[in-house]
Amino acid sequence: GQQLNQSPQSMFIQEGEDVSMNCTSSSIFNTWLWYKQDPGEGPVLLIALYKAGELTSNGRLTAQFGITRKDSFLNISASIPSDVGIYFCAGCDRGSTLGRLYFGRGTQLTVWP
Amino acid sequence: ETGVTQTPRHLVMGMTNKKSLKCEQHLGHNAMYWYKQSAKKPLELMFVYSLEERVENNSVPSRFSPECPNSSHLFLHLHTLQPEDSALYLCASSQDPGPRGPGELFFGEGSRLTVL
Repeated sequence: GQQLNQSPQSMFIQEGEDVSMNCTSSSIFNTWLWYKQDPGEGPVLLIALYKAGELTSNGRLTAQFGITRKDSFLNISASIPSDVGIYFCAGCDRGSTLGRLYFGRGTQLTVWP
Repeated sequence: ETGVTQTPRHLVMGMTNKKSLKCEQHLGHNAMYWYKQSAKKPLELMFVYSLEERVENNSVPSRFSPECPNSSHLFLHLHTLQPEDSALYLCASSQDPGPRGPGELFFGEGSRLTVL
């Protein structure tokens, strides 16, 4: 099946620092999505991207759909303790319908006060 | 209630038990999904229902049996499970097609299953 490589696997940062994580795929994707999962909860959609080159912000979060359509990144600016959690990238390739998403393994973010 | 709700949140069962997980979505979506989340693995798609018809079964063992009686409810019936089936089972829903492309998934909080 489709492989999504998400990095880094984990990050330990100081409150106030900026964070960057990315995801790459082995084939062209039509959709990139970024989710956050808090402990004991289900993933929550943060940002959805549907066009190559698209740059979208949601508060302190910014995500971009790579021009090659094989990658995406998520940036978090001025991190705060509640940013702690696991961030997942997900995407659909050309043959996907019905939200059949491929998921990355996640980036575990820890923010020290 | 809003969003996607799952019950129970936690379930412990023996290998010979029969239990069911329940999911209800209040978003008016037309597709529902079961995902399995195990430690250090990507989310695994198990089943997809569109308009109450199963459209995908990703080689899931028959000890997992889904049921979708209507577009708002989804069940996962469990019987004779194995300890390796212990995981977080996530239900999701989406509107297909979405306004800009394949539907964005909205997840429930998950049912944490432990098989003894």
